[in-house]
Amino acid sequence: QPVLTQSSSASASLGSSVKLTCTLSSWHSSYIIAWHQQQPGKAPRYLMKLESSGSYNKGSGVPDRFSGSSSGADRYLTISNLQSEDEADYYCETWDSNIWVFGGGTKLTVL
Amino acid sequence: QLQLQESGPGLVRPSETLSLTCTVSGGSISSSGYYWGWIRQPPGKGLEWIGTIYYSGSTYYNPSLKSRVTISVDTSKNQFSLQLTSVTAADTAVFYCARHVSYSGARHLDYWGQGTLVTVSS
Repeated sequence: QPVLTQSSSASASLGSSVKLTCTLSSWHSSYIIAWHQQQPGKAPRYLMKLESSGSYNKGSGVPDRFSGSSSGADRYLTISNLQSEDEADYYCETWDSNIWVFGGGTKLTVL
Repeated sequence: QLQLQESGPGLVRPSETLSLTCTVSGGSISSSGYYWGWIRQPPGKGLEWIGTIYYSGSTYYNPSLKSRVTISVDTSKNQFSLQLTSVTAADTAVFYCARHVSYSGARHLDYWGQGTLVTVSS
């Protein structure tokens, strides 16, 4: 089954941009992933589906500040004009043969 | 607007069976193109997929939990349920129910319940 690798933490200043990375295991480098945001004390929220081509489809109500891109086995989530409410854990998700997996999550701190 | 709501006991004794139900509102659990799943999150840790069911009854389980997990669906009540047997303190977690989409190769989660904390303790 696929493995998703994420950095444990990231930080960026209010109003700046940050790019979070989710890396697929090499055998699964073409796979679609999804990004989810989990604000402190809340349930996860679906942000977007992201394909190997870099094409992405966002969930309802997700601000334009959130975008996705891809390069090889890497899937990126870019957040522009960082707001305080963007401080959260971010998880990537993928699936193969009816098995779903999550990355370990990245804790984003907004300075 | 689709909503999912978990319900069940917040405290379970070790070695007993954890049982949770997810009630779906704002949409039909029998709609084609959607699957229904359970995910858990131990305190301070990441997300772990437990299993998924289609309205027809087809089930898919995390291999690491498969021997202890049963997921079922009740289309008449628009609900699906989770049973986890022989629980230990390591099963203490927030349990989420969620919906998967299924189209054009995509099978990701797109709606989540608010979650319910289940503590395993005597």
